Amino acid sequence: DIVMTQSPDSLAVSLGERATINCKSSQSVLDTSNNENHLAWYQQKPSQPPKLLIYWASTRNSGVPDRFSGSGSGTDFTLTISSLQAEDVAVYYCQQYHGSPPTYTFGQGTKLEIK
Amino acid sequence: EVQLVESGGGLIQPGGSLSLSCEISGFTVTDSYMTWVRQAPGKGLEWVSVIYAGGSTYYAGSVKGRFTVSSDISKNTVYLHMNSLRVDDTAVYYCARGASVGFRALSAFDIWGHGTLVSVSS
Repeated sequence: DIVMTQSPDSLAVSLGERATINCKSSQSVLDTSNNENHLAWYQQKPSQPPKLLIYWASTRNSGVPDRFSGSGSGTDFTLTISSLQAEDVAVYYCQQYHGSPPTYTFGQGTKLEIK
Repeated sequence: EVQLVESGGGLIQPGGSLSLSCEISGFTVTDSYMTWVRQAPGKGLEWVSVIYAGGSTYYAGSVKGRFTVSSDISKNTVYLHMNSLRVDDTAVYYCARGASVGFRALSAFDIWGHGTLVSVSS
């Protein structure tokens, strides 16, 4: 089974500063047929369902502020919030897709707080 | 408005069965693939199952053989039938829509319901 490991488990960042969350997959999530990484990022605030932020490792979903960006390829990925806002306090999850057979795996989550 | 509404959760004894529903509004179940994701109290997200528009279904190892996902086109609803429930199946169960751009699946989930709580306890 593919394992997704996020680091750190929790993070405290000052308002306006950069926040960086890492995600490592135990297997490559790169689809060599189209050169896309099957890696997504979600934001979950308390008592709310998750919200899709990024898909294909670096493509922002519609309506997501441009302070959120994703990068990486293969097994190592990063979610960056360029200038932390108060409303960004949440738990962030990475998620991969593997096609044979189709399975989806989430990371354990990273809790982001204000310092 | 695009919306997913889950129902059917509740308190059930270990070994029991329960069926969850996910009513879809704003798109049709044949347009997309649908998934179930669960979250145990205070824990992270765990993928449970997926049903594709063609009817193919797949499951996480922790529920394979006990859970069954299905859809009813006439009711525009997806179901999760859960048998042989265990205490560690206790969680909020979310249904979510598989994201697509045109005909390309994005391997991510862009619309989520608010979830329904399943509590397995004696």
